Amino acid sequence: EAGVTQFPSHSVIEKGQTVTLRCDPISGHDNLYWYRRVMGKEIKFLLHFVKESKQDESGMPNNRFLAERTGGTYSTLKVQPAELEDSGVYFCASSQDLITGGTQYFGPGTRLTVL
Amino acid sequence: DAKTTQPPSMDCAEGRAANLPCNHSTISGNEYVYWYRQIHSQGPQYIIHGLKNNETNEMASLIITEDRKSSTLILPHATLRDTAVYYCIVPRTTSGTYKYIFGTGTRLKVLA
Repeated sequence: EAGVTQFPSHSVIEKGQTVTLRCDPISGHDNLYWYRRVMGKEIKFLLHFVKESKQDESGMPNNRFLAERTGGTYSTLKVQPAELEDSGVYFCASSQDLITGGTQYFGPGTRLTVL
Repeated sequence: DAKTTQPPSMDCAEGRAANLPCNHSTISGNEYVYWYRQIHSQGPQYIIHGLKNNETNEMASLIITEDRKSSTLILPHATLRDTAVYYCIVPRTTSGTYKYIFGTGTRLKVLA
């Protein structure tokens, strides 16, 4: 069984540009989460999808971040325009259980560098 | 606002058991305890989880105290590849979302 995959693995962009990160969850997992770790800080929750619906987006830092999960399969996280403080590693996770949440399985992450 | 408390770092000799403690004194009766680890900057890797009973899998054992206020992750024969940051997590549930609150974890260094 394939795990959670993320693309790209690394992205280097300039301040003001746009970047889109992609996450493919484990097949059949309805829950999809985005987290991120910025330099020197702890891993923080960003948002949670159940199928194609946003269940909780309380961790999204501001309106420069837009997450989508059309069709309830893969998800994208767009940052527009990117700022220096957006640099960090963005992780995606998925889980199966809709009742108890279940175990979250994480992808390898996308390392975003904003210059 | 992590619900768990872990020592910041520990050392363990290669081949010996590594015992990583975690306090979760505010845990509720139906909340699970999860353990993950992060090697370098890779994605967090699931290790084990439990509710009340002790659990064992191919990676580790989890011992949960009877009052459920603390737990210990045991790596029975630590290897150099077990050097990582270990996180003890009690998912925070809000509005149907089971979000993980990552604290600083325990940085385990396995020594040759």
